[in-house]
Order: sequence, then C-alpha cells, then structure tokens
Amino acid sequence: GAGVSQSPSNKVTEKGKDVELRCDPISGHTALYWYRQSLGQGLEFLIYFQGNSAPDKSGLPSDRFSAERTGGSVSTLTIQRTQQEDSAVYLCASSLGLGGRNEQFFGPGTRLTVL
Amino acid sequence: QKEVEQDPGPLSVPEGAIVSLNCTYSNSAFQYFMWYRQYSRKGPELLMYTYSSGNKEDGRFTAQVDKSSKYISLFIRDSQPSDSATYLCAMSASGTSYGKLTFGQGTILTVHP
Repeated sequence: GAGVSQSPSNKVTEKGKDVELRCDPISGHTALYWYRQSLGQGLEFLIYFQGNSAPDKSGLPSDRFSAERTGGSVSTLTIQRTQQEDSAVYLCASSLGLGGRNEQFFGPGTRLTVL
Repeated sequence: QKEVEQDPGPLSVPEGAIVSLNCTYSNSAFQYFMWYRQYSRKGPELLMYTYSSGNKEDGRFTAQVDKSSKYISLFIRDSQPSDSATYLCAMSASGTSYGKLTFGQGTILTVHP
C-alpha cells in the first residue's frame, strides 16, 4: 500500500515568507508526528497528533511554527516569516497508535531552503 | 549534553566486514530502542526494534540493549555495499511521551566492494 507522502519535496523561499508543508499519512494511522532534520541538530521532534488533537506543542522551535491536522488524516506544518535557520529537512511520520510500541513510518521529507 | 549520543563517523569498511554501531543515553525512562537506516534523500526506515534490555537478531543484523550501562549497539555481519547509509539510533520512553522518538546524530557508513 501507499506509504507516507509529503509535498513539496523541495521548497526554496526567501527570508520573511510563509511556507506550508503537507503530510499525507498512511491510511488508518491515527498518530502523526513531525520531525526536523538539520546538519547541526540531527533529527529532532517537533509535534505529534492523536486524531486532530496536538496535546503537546512544546517541541515547536518558536511561535512562528504551527501545525494542524484535519479529518484525522492530512497535516500541514506552517512556518511564518521564515528565517535562514529554518532551513532543514522536515519529516513526517505516522503510526497505528500512540506510544513506543507502535512503529513510526517516515515520509521522504520536504527539503526547505530559506535564502 | 544530548540525551542520546552517537558517534557520527564516518565509518568506512570493506565488503564482508562486521560493523558495530553504538549509542549511549542518559534518560533512564527510555524503554523502547530502535535502529533506523536512512539512505540519501530518503526518510528513515525501521531496521530493528527492541523493548527493554536484551538481544534481538534479524538476518545479518543484531541489536543489543544494556539498560544498566545505558548503551545500545547494532551489529551488521557480512556487510554489503547496499548497507551504505546513515544509521540512526532512536529511543522512546513509556508513559506520557506518547511515542516521541529521540534520535542520535546518526553514523554514516560506507561499505566498499
């Protein structure tokens, strides 16, 4: 079956612009995660959803970052007023349920470059 | 200090060699231990999953967890050029962490023919 898909695969933007990154999880997966991968920081957790709810937003780097999920499926990560330090690969993962026992399946990522 | 430490390498070995990859961690709440493999410009894919301490073998891959030392390892036997990738250890705590994964920095492995 289809895996996790993300769009766009690459995004180049100018500093100060807003960007939206999209994630389509595996059908039937109730849990969805966003991570960021950068050279300096490695792979770091941003936010998770159970259904449409995001109970813990503390992993988001700043209030310029927000995320939503609708219909228990597609999720969008929005970065407002982008900065050069936002340049990274943004990875989405989904799993059947919450908790460490559930394997997280990752998408290919969106490579964001802020000029 | 990071919660999970992993030597980034890079590591270069000849085909057929045994590869040893390691991570140490500081959070004693970690209960679930994983190794992911990531090819260039792709997302990570799960290789091995271990709950609590012990060993797990799957084909050429063996994962070991020593919770008393807060140390995990991945061994690759008879390494192949197709094993060339970045290997990431990841960990998750039980309870209220809701499956959040904490990753090591990743080790870049090259297996040359």
